[in-house]
Amino acid sequence: AQRVTQPEKLLSVFKGAPVELKCNYSYSGSPELFWYVQYSRQRLQLLLRHISRESIKGFTADLNKGETSFHLKKPFAQEEDSAMYYCALSRSLTGGGNKLTFGTGTQLKVEL
Amino acid sequence: KAGVTQTPRYLIKTRGQQVTLSCSPISGHRSVSWYQQTPGQGLQFLFEYFSETQRNKGNFPGRFSGRQFSNSRSEMNVSTLELGDSALYLCASSLTELSNYGYTFGSGTRLTVV
Repeated sequence: AQRVTQPEKLLSVFKGAPVELKCNYSYSGSPELFWYVQYSRQRLQLLLRHISRESIKGFTADLNKGETSFHLKKPFAQEEDSAMYYCALSRSLTGGGNKLTFGTGTQLKVEL
Repeated sequence: KAGVTQTPRYLIKTRGQQVTLSCSPISGHRSVSWYQQTPGQGLQFLFEYFSETQRNKGNFPGRFSGRQFSNSRSEMNVSTLELGDSALYLCASSLTELSNYGYTFGSGTRLTVV
């Protein structure tokens, strides 16, 4: 079975400090990993896909298959980064179709 | 272009009643998934549809059902409502059936069962 673990419910950092939101997964196959973000009173939105190897809003995430991790990082936190962040794993299922498994989320609070 | 639209935004129902939630995906998106979000359980997968076919179902009782129409719009139905069904129900659509593409979520329908 697949599982996504986000060990921190709340992460509080000061503006300008580095941010690292942890995500570990367990999955026997080749994972497709994502970070989703939910700003206050807004809908859940896709932030990053591991396959894209892109940087969005200064955030990056590297898939480490050896450590089964997909941590989200940003060198300098901004106040507008305060939000709930979810790590998610997608896998193709037998017979077709996909399923996203979410972690429990980490609330990032950037303080001035 | 318009995003994923869910209606209604809020619903209050009584135990034992049934409810139907609606989702209109982004134009051109053929894959629609439903998720339940609660403070205790987080985001849990309900089911996924592609081209009017339910391809996968999460670990929910048979009271939860859904369907997808030829225009990709989807509905979710919950019968014999229980207090524990109170949650935010999210719909998400994707352009492809590929697992690496990612989903676009709607704002959700907040269901309260009293």
